[in-house]
Amino acid sequence: DAGITQSPRHKVTETGTPVTLRCHQTENHRYMYWYRQDPGHGLRLIHYSYGVKDTDKGEVSDGYSVSRSKTEDFLLTLESATSSQTSVYFCAISERLSGQIYNSPLHFGNGTRLTVT
Amino acid sequence: GDSVTQMEGPVTLSEEAFLTINCTYTATGYPSLFWYVQYPGEGLQLLLKATKADDKGSNKGFEATYRKETTSFHLEKGSVQVSDSAVYFCALKGYWDAGGTSYGKLTFGQGTILTVHP
Repeated sequence: DAGITQSPRHKVTETGTPVTLRCHQTENHRYMYWYRQDPGHGLRLIHYSYGVKDTDKGEVSDGYSVSRSKTEDFLLTLESATSSQTSVYFCAISERLSGQIYNSPLHFGNGTRLTVT
Repeated sequence: GDSVTQMEGPVTLSEEAFLTINCTYTATGYPSLFWYVQYPGEGLQLLLKATKADDKGSNKGFEATYRKETTSFHLEKGSVQVSDSAVYFCALKGYWDAGGTSYGKLTFGQGTILTVHP
């Protein structure tokens, strides 16, 4: 299994509070991603990183920010949590195989279940 | 933009039945295609992949063939087991994103729930 640890595994928080989710990898992979999983939507990309301090937005980035100060850690922050952000959040990592990123699979962590009340 | 469409679920089968889960895609260029499986309470695991037209990915008795002419990547298994009960996701990686470079982002279908009964 890819060395990916997400913390916390479960969290319940109140509307309006800030929340930070952590993804830690031991694989030294360059690319890291945050997805959210919701019924009927599959997984949707929130933000991604292609190196230390290099990040960009995905398709559902509103209300989220990220930071990557070290290769191994990628943080996802909900500045002011809303009920619509209740979801399961997955971190993923990827490397270049044979010099190509496009044919390399993503490896996923076990997820963080976040409930915003 | 890129998109993936999977057959509506849930799918319920008896053990040893034949499985097909349809997946079609829309993408520019030559994407790579993947199937992932998610067991209850776990993250997604790579099941198989194909990176060019007519490639066949296979693993654990599952197969899928990259059909560029029909833009499809259907998942099949000849004889399912109760342990195959899970959610299956079809996904693609575009060769280029809008910025002209590829950062390896996966685009997923909505997932298909498979339940296999003894």
